[in-house]
Amino acid sequence: GENVEQHPSTLSVQEGDSAVIKCTYSDSASNYFPWYKQELGKRPQLIIDIRSNVGEKKDQRIAVTLNKTAKHFSLHITETQPEDSAVYFCAASSTGTASKLTFGTGTRLQVTL
Amino acid sequence: DADVTQTPRNRITKTGKRIMLECSQTKGHDRMYWYRQDPGLGLQLIYYSFDVKDINKGEISDGYSVSRQAQAKFSLSLESAIPNQTALYFCATSDPPYETQYFGPGTRLLVL
Repeated sequence: GENVEQHPSTLSVQEGDSAVIKCTYSDSASNYFPWYKQELGKRPQLIIDIRSNVGEKKDQRIAVTLNKTAKHFSLHITETQPEDSAVYFCAASSTGTASKLTFGTGTRLQVTL
Repeated sequence: DADVTQTPRNRITKTGKRIMLECSQTKGHDRMYWYRQDPGLGLQLIYYSFDVKDINKGEISDGYSVSRQAQAKFSLSLESAIPNQTALYFCATSDPPYETQYFGPGTRLLVL
């Protein structure tokens, strides 16, 4: 089955700096890569996703890049703000009747003033 | 997301008790999931169901059972609760082909 590794497990940046979280996956059939943000005590919520037919996707201050050859994808947050502090999970899945999301282990991002 | 609801939101129980956590969704999704999250850790898949007649074990199914009563309802039971089952439990739904998952608000369970 799919295995998703996520690094780093914790990340501290100063407000205004950029943050990068990286994930690798093992199943070359995976073609869908969402990112979730979980604030303390809340549910994980989808913030951005990318499908394998594109290499990059942006939404305001966040972007995701995908390298299918190397089987890795990354989340980039620019101009970080205190409200970006949360745990971020990457995930991967393939399309198909038996497919399901496999999550990474999470990255705790702390944005300091 | 108001489309996925969980009851109860908080529960305190004693060791050995049987309890049930319930999940309902109005998204019309066929696929439903139960996850467990321990403090500071990631999401562990307990059980998942791709339709009403399909139930599958996840990574940590021991000590848990599920029931898919209808497309919209998926319940998780702890047959005999133990303290190390104290955790935050999330229900989620998804719809193929792209498996975006939508999470409920969670149930915080404390087993004494």
